[in-house]
Amino acid sequence: QITLKESGPTLVKPTQTLTLTCTFSGFSLSTSGVGVGWIRQPPGKALEWLALIYWDDDKRYSPSLKSRLTITKDTSKNQVVLTMTNMDPVDTATYYCARFGGPFDYWGQGTLVTVSS
Amino acid sequence: QSVLTQPPSASGTPGQRVTISCSGSSSNIGSNTVNWYQQLPGTAPKLLIYSNNQRPSGVPDRFSGSKSGTSASLAISGLQSEDEADYYCAAWDDSLNGYNYVFGTGTKVTVL
Repeated sequence: QITLKESGPTLVKPTQTLTLTCTFSGFSLSTSGVGVGWIRQPPGKALEWLALIYWDDDKRYSPSLKSRLTITKDTSKNQVVLTMTNMDPVDTATYYCARFGGPFDYWGQGTLVTVSS
Repeated sequence: QSVLTQPPSASGTPGQRVTISCSGSSSNIGSNTVNWYQQLPGTAPKLLIYSNNQRPSGVPDRFSGSKSGTSASLAISGLQSEDEADYYCAAWDDSLNGYNYVFGTGTKVTVL
């Protein structure tokens, strides 16, 4: 059974750095072809892809947010970490992590992050 | 911001067929496969269709996908009340800006 779960702060202040952790089970991020990505969804709005890290440590970022994002993995802990710098109220959203096995085939439940002073 | 355009809403009565379009360009749908995700109210998205027309295990066969040129479609045959959800298309986009996984604008399906 594949599961993913996001964890991190629910409230961050403007200009702060957000750090989110995705802890997963049921698959290994050392398996060829597998990746873990992050997607966010502002309240009432569409999904937006943020970043993806592959089994071989290849990393991809949304061009519009690339300068603010860093994605890393700890294969031994089955975790993927996303950091986003210089947070702004427009970054308020539910952040999802998802396994990438071609498409994003398994998703976490999401975590709502609010950016406010 | 979304480069894949979907109609904001679609509706039908139980048993009807509903079709949702997804319009893109040569750098995304025109050169990559399309996936569809279903998001039930208050829940995380779920993969519904991958590689244009493939259904993951457990997805009912009343859901089908197709692609032609720079557009794709999702069809729901025999609409059921539990199909009331938001639907998103998605594809990789290989533009000059880089390698980008883009989602559609989303379509809310209402069962009348």
